[in-house]
Amino acid sequence: EAGVAQSPRYKIIEKRQSVAFWCNPISGHATLYWYQQILGQGPKLLIQFQNNGVVDDSQLPKDRFSAERLKGVDSTLKIQPAKLEDSAVYLCASSLPRMNTEAFFGQGTRLTVV
Amino acid sequence: AQSVAQPEDQVNVAEGNPLTVKCTYSVSGNPYLFWYVQYPNRGLQFLLKYITGDNLVKGSYGFEAEFNKSQTSFHLKKPSALVSDSALYFCAVMEYGNKLVFGAGTILRVKS
Repeated sequence: EAGVAQSPRYKIIEKRQSVAFWCNPISGHATLYWYQQILGQGPKLLIQFQNNGVVDDSQLPKDRFSAERLKGVDSTLKIQPAKLEDSAVYLCASSLPRMNTEAFFGQGTRLTVV
Repeated sequence: AQSVAQPEDQVNVAEGNPLTVKCTYSVSGNPYLFWYVQYPNRGLQFLLKYITGDNLVKGSYGFEAEFNKSQTSFHLKKPSALVSDSALYFCAVMEYGNKLVFGAGTILRVKS
């Protein structure tokens, strides 16, 4: 089966600019996650969707980050305006809507803010 | 809050030798524990999970993990390391709602 697709793979922007990341989950996976992985740290959950509804966005910096999952399939994560500390790998993952099931991750988008 | 700790930043092992990557957890209630591996410029790949049942869990690529409730540990093991096992390994605990909380990761280097 096709895996989780993300684009772009790499992005370099200047601080205060805006950027958007795209994710296409595995077909049939109702649950979608966005994680932020800062160099040297483990991934941290930013937001979780179940179909097109937000389940948890408690760790999303809502003053600058936004995410949507229209139609319950693809998702976009946006940062506006970007800060230097937003430099990280942004990982999208998806899973079946079952308890304690593993998530499948995309390759990630490496963002560098200069 | 649920958390995991990976006490070693890096583990070095010779090819053919057994390997262990350590993980300890702190949770309230029953722990649901996972191991993922990350190769350079790749996303995380699921290796194995412990939900309930046997304390020894077998996973992908010959890896296994031992759940030890008394020591609150979930160490990843492999009887014979390969150079291709060199990667970054993450332990994680699953919170209510299928949210994963990851450790900081351990770099595994297998030398030939």
